[in-house]
Order: sequence, then structure tokens, then C-alpha cells
Amino acid sequence: GAVVSQHPSWVICKSGTSVKIECRSLDFQATTMFWYRQFPKQSLMLMATSNEGSKATYEQGVEKDKFLINHASLTLSTLTVTSAHPEDSSFYICSAPPQGIGANVLTFGAGSRLTVL
Amino acid sequence: QKEVEQDPGPLSVPEGAIVSLNCTYSNSAFQYFMWYRQYSRKGPELLMYTYSSGNKEDGRFTAQVDKSSKYISLFIRDSQPSDSATYLCAMSGGNNRLAFGKGNQVVVIP
Repeated sequence: GAVVSQHPSWVICKSGTSVKIECRSLDFQATTMFWYRQFPKQSLMLMATSNEGSKATYEQGVEKDKFLINHASLTLSTLTVTSAHPEDSSFYICSAPPQGIGANVLTFGAGSRLTVL
Repeated sequence: QKEVEQDPGPLSVPEGAIVSLNCTYSNSAFQYFMWYRQYSRKGPELLMYTYSSGNKEDGRFTAQVDKSSKYISLFIRDSQPSDSATYLCAMSGGNNRLAFGKGNQVVVIP
């Protein structure tokens, strides 16, 4: 149980285009999901907290107009990288707490590798 | 000072050896401590979860937390080639916001 599915697993796009990444909780509901970014040989950096039915909460230094987050249902959150540039190339990973807020154990998706040419 | 420090240096061990990993942290509010395993180009998967201080054992894996020293450890006994991965420590103060270490790349040599 507690599976988080992420799609696509990898994407290549041209500079200036937008890319959408989906994160789904398959067997549980998630009012909150978390989006992380990971550079090679680096740790996971929290980008934003996605809240179902309300605005996402962004970490300091993360451009909310560039990284659009929508959490339209209890099982789906999307991250859209708008006007992508090569420096946006990274591994994006979503996660959700399977037992709800307070569980402090996150289940992660398999990640989406974005390459911007 | 970063919240979580984990020496990212790669670690190579022969099959069957004990792998010892550790992290230190500075935030005394952390109460939940986790170890995640991450294979190349994959998302992290939870290995061990400990609340507050103490030891926890699960098969070949043992997690230790010493809150007085702000130090956590993960031991892998009888290491196998399939244990080759990056191991990330993570911790939280109770709001689902996890702080991660940089990760240790472990290679178990057959």
C-alpha cells in the first residue's frame, strides 16, 4: 500500500516550453503533497507544499510563477515548469504522507528527470 | 551550519561486511528520524523510521538515534550487492517537512 505514482519518468524539452509533471497517490488520499528537487549527487531540496483545494506554499527562493503547482483532487498534484531553461534541468520528486498530516513518514514517487535543451 | 550533515563520501565494502552510516544535526526540535534508500534514477524508499532516541532493528538493518549528541546511525549487517545504493538520512520536527542529508553512496563489492 501507500504508492505514489509520478509521470512522466523522464522528459526532454526545448528551452522556453512548459512541462507538466503529475503526482498521484494510488491507494490513499493526500490533502498535502510535497515537491522536491534533486541535483546530481545532492540531497533533496523541498520546493513547495501542495495543498488540496488551496494555494501551494513555496520555500524561500523558489519562484512560484515558474513552478506552478495545482492540487485539484485528493489524489493528484501537478507541477508545471513554465518557460523552462537549461538550469531547470533536474530530478523532480513528489511525495505524500500516507497516514495524513503528522505521520512524518513520506512515500516518494519514482521521480521525473527533466532535461531542457 | 546546515540542519543535517551527512558525509557524502562514497563507501565501498566487500560483500558480507558491516556498513556504518551516520548523520549529525543541529535542530533540537527534530523528533522523527528516517533512513531512505535511493537507487540510481529512482525516488527514495523508506528503510527505517525511529521516533525520538533509541535503537530499532529490522532484519539486517539497525537504526540508532542519540538525541543528546544529535547523532543518528544506520548499520547494515551482512551487506549484499543489492544494498548498493545511496542512503539518505532525513528528520522532521513533526510537520511532515523533512530535512535531508546529502546521502551516502554505498557500493558492496561481490
